[in-house]
Amino acid sequence: EPEVTQTPSHQVTQMGQEVILRCVPISNHLYFYWYRQILGQKVEFLVSFYNNEISEKSEIFDDQFSVERPDGSNFTLKIRSTKLEDSAMYFCASSEWGYEQYFGPGTRLTVT
Amino acid sequence: DAKTTQPPSMDCAEGRAANLPCNHSTISGNEYVYWYRQIHSQGPQYIIHGLKNNETNEMASLIITEDRKSSTLILPHATLRDTAVYYCIVRVTDKLIFGTGTRLQVFP
Repeated sequence: EPEVTQTPSHQVTQMGQEVILRCVPISNHLYFYWYRQILGQKVEFLVSFYNNEISEKSEIFDDQFSVERPDGSNFTLKIRSTKLEDSAMYFCASSEWGYEQYFGPGTRLTVT
Repeated sequence: DAKTTQPPSMDCAEGRAANLPCNHSTISGNEYVYWYRQIHSQGPQYIIHGLKNNETNEMASLIITEDRKSSTLILPHATLRDTAVYYCIVRVTDKLIFGTGTRLQVFP
């Protein structure tokens, strides 16, 4: 069964550094999403992406965040200058028609 | 904010049906109800969704009341692997807004 994959599974970075989190969505899916979950808190929506552009973003997704689909298979989330409060699990999701969203296993980002 | 209300926790015996309720009294006519679950810190797993008719798939059944103000997710024969946090979500736009969900504990 096709799955969303994410790399790395765990990323440790220093405050102020740039990080890129990578996702490979399910191959025939057209809609892509990033969510995050701070330890012990709710899953929060960050951004949705369709037809090579952002379709919706949350207040969390400020100028420090960006997303890109650099080729036909990858979907990335970049954080330009990480802060301590960016430490969280980051989940990528994809959807074929914009209905069911299928989530990846997540990348645990630790900012020190 | 989430448009749903769920009990914080429930227990269920293994092999029995688990019925998880959800209230969504402010749901609009074109908004779907989605159910996801999250086991430990894994990625949320899609279970089922519906608009007004009852739905069934290989994982679960979704019963939506006629007025659409509440719904019930039914896991017909719960197993220990169904222990998870279950989220009922009314989807408004692209995004899924997760609440705190119901922590279902399946016991032997």
